[in-house]
Amino acid sequence: EAQVTQNPRYLITVTGKKLTVTCSQNMNHEYMSWYRQDPGLGLRQIYYSMNVEVTDKGDVPEGYKVSRKEKRNFPLILESPSPNQTSLYFCASSPELAYQETQYFGPGTRLLVL
Amino acid sequence: GDSVTQMEGPVTLSEEAFLTINCTYTATGYPSLFWYVQYPGEGLQLLLKATKADDKGSNKGFEATYRKETTSFHLEKGSVQVSDSAVYFCALNTDFNKFYFGSGTKLNVKP
Repeated sequence: EAQVTQNPRYLITVTGKKLTVTCSQNMNHEYMSWYRQDPGLGLRQIYYSMNVEVTDKGDVPEGYKVSRKEKRNFPLILESPSPNQTSLYFCASSPELAYQETQYFGPGTRLLVL
Repeated sequence: GDSVTQMEGPVTLSEEAFLTINCTYTATGYPSLFWYVQYPGEGLQLLLKATKADDKGSNKGFEATYRKETTSFHLEKGSVQVSDSAVYFCALNTDFNKFYFGSGTKLNVKP
């Protein structure tokens, strides 16, 4: 089944404790992206990647890191989480370049930073 | 900068009513426009898209027309069903591969 998977689905952590949210897609997509969803703000793009070893900042990259060492994986790293990073996070992928293309979203990761 | 503005919700309708959810955008260049739907507890799914001016996207009875002159992409459906209850997001994608989403509009359809 073609899908985007994220792990974990739910995470509670404390301020300053490094964490990684994994994202994997099995559709051989070149484009991958991370978003956060907050009430009243919709989805905001954090980082995106157009291919292996090619990443770029979205609208809200502060406090996040990403890497793209393999085509199928695009982990999101929070080196020192803070309470304002409490949010619902979505990973998405798209074939080739994303312009005009449909994005396929993962199920989401709900993060609470205490 | 690029942005999307959509009407605030929630929108509450009775079954078989006509639906309009307004969406306007600001963008440089020639963006593609999308409507995504999010059902409770799930990720977003593409509902429809339009990639150039005057294109009409349609799917499952929903329609939206890319209006460059009014920078709008309003979502419409002639007769909503209870199963259409969800959150709807308007989005645009620029030729620089960045995506911008609206804040979402929650639709509640009552039997």
